[in-house]
Amino acid sequence: AQKITQTQPGMFVQEKEAVTLDCTYDTSDPSYGLFWYKQPSSGEMIFLIYQGSYDQQNATEGRYSLNFQKARKSANLVISASQLGDSAMYFCAMRELKNGGSQGNLIFGKGTKLSVKP
Amino acid sequence: KAGVTQTPRYLIKTRGQQVTLSCSPISGHRSVSWYQQTPGQGLQFLFEYFSETQRNKGNFPGRFSGRQFSNSRSEMNVSTLELGDSALYLCASSLVQGKGTNEKLFFGSGTQLSVL
Repeated sequence: AQKITQTQPGMFVQEKEAVTLDCTYDTSDPSYGLFWYKQPSSGEMIFLIYQGSYDQQNATEGRYSLNFQKARKSANLVISASQLGDSAMYFCAMRELKNGGSQGNLIFGKGTKLSVKP
Repeated sequence: KAGVTQTPRYLIKTRGQQVTLSCSPISGHRSVSWYQQTPGQGLQFLFEYFSETQRNKGNFPGRFSGRQFSNSRSEMNVSTLELGDSALYLCASSLVQGKGTNEKLFFGSGTQLSVL
């Protein structure tokens, strides 16, 4: 079974509108971390936002927020006021320190390609 | 502060050859991880090094190996290249201050390897 599932291979959003990218995860480890990364065409993975499994509040970083629903095992990324520069691949990832995990080992989803239309 | 530097940016090899990729982490970062990214399999963890020791390893054949030097720079080696090894190889570094789940990984731009 996949540990990270991103069901939207591609999405379009109008500039200045908000968009939600879906991510569900599967783990039996009570302590885990969830990350979102952005990968533009240059290839570099850029960290966007982090949510810990014990965090009580949803994480926010500027225009990025994470809609964390622990019981549903979902960690959706919300981008507000989309900009043309937001066009990129977006990856959801999880770190679990048990089950053979380690700090350098992130499990990634397949990604969602976001295209922002002017 | 300089980011994670990977060299070379592009590489073309033929089947059966071997290749060495290099990664210089952010200054002060002691952990280096390697990932393989392909259109079919996505991003897959290869291995992680911390203080010159391999700390974790993904599910890849023994043809894939790596090492870390005392200055935290890391190299990965792929021997007897196969067509399926064509991929973007990404290196990531992290500070590793504690044992929590919140350490960010900082990635380089990758080495695009093409095996002909």
